[in-house]
Amino acid sequence: GNSVTQMEGPVTLSEEAFLTINCTYTATGYPSLFWYVQYPGEGLQLLLKATKADDKGSNKGFEATYRKETTSFHLEKGSVQVSDSAVYFCALSTDSWGKLQFGAGTQVVVTP
Amino acid sequence: EPEVTQTPSHQVTQMGQEVILRCVPISNHLYFYWYRQILGQKVEFLVSFYNNEISEKSEIFDDQFSVERPDGSNFTLKIRSTKLEDSAMYFCASSEVRGQGNQPQHFGDGTRLSIL
Repeated sequence: GNSVTQMEGPVTLSEEAFLTINCTYTATGYPSLFWYVQYPGEGLQLLLKATKADDKGSNKGFEATYRKETTSFHLEKGSVQVSDSAVYFCALSTDSWGKLQFGAGTQVVVTP
Repeated sequence: EPEVTQTPSHQVTQMGQEVILRCVPISNHLYFYWYRQILGQKVEFLVSFYNNEISEKSEIFDDQFSVERPDGSNFTLKIRSTKLEDSAMYFCASSEVRGQGNQPQHFGDGTRLSIL
């Protein structure tokens, strides 16, 4: 079956550091890939998405490229801020009804 | 920006009792979902709903669970006889159209369900 694996947290960084969160997937067919973010006390918000191989999703300084050859969708940001502290979820969908399958989530803590 | 709202934010219930979790999806959305996250575990899909019927459900969504859209705006999840293992954060989501991500799902802030 389909699955998403992402690096375990917490990831602790200083402000302005470079952030990478690894995400790999197993899927039949051609999934769409997503990163969702959950700020403390809030719901899941779509951060970015990519629907086909080699697409790059980007938003708020974050980027991720859909790599079919390595079945990966790693999230990167060049210079993090304290406000980026959150839990980040990688997810995929292959389902015509849009069902999302999530990774375990990675907590990111950015210190001043 | 329109948002999905869920009530209550926290529900505490005795084991064996029925509980109803409520969601108001975004008004022009047609596809509705429930997910749950047990503490420390992954967010898991429960059910999707379209045109007043279940379109897909997971193995978690057994006979104790039901969903309905009673009045055209609310979307509810009912657990008939709660168990301790039902304790989790429950998220409602909606999307304008279905499909593989061309229209993303918008999530509510969740209802934390605690079973005693």
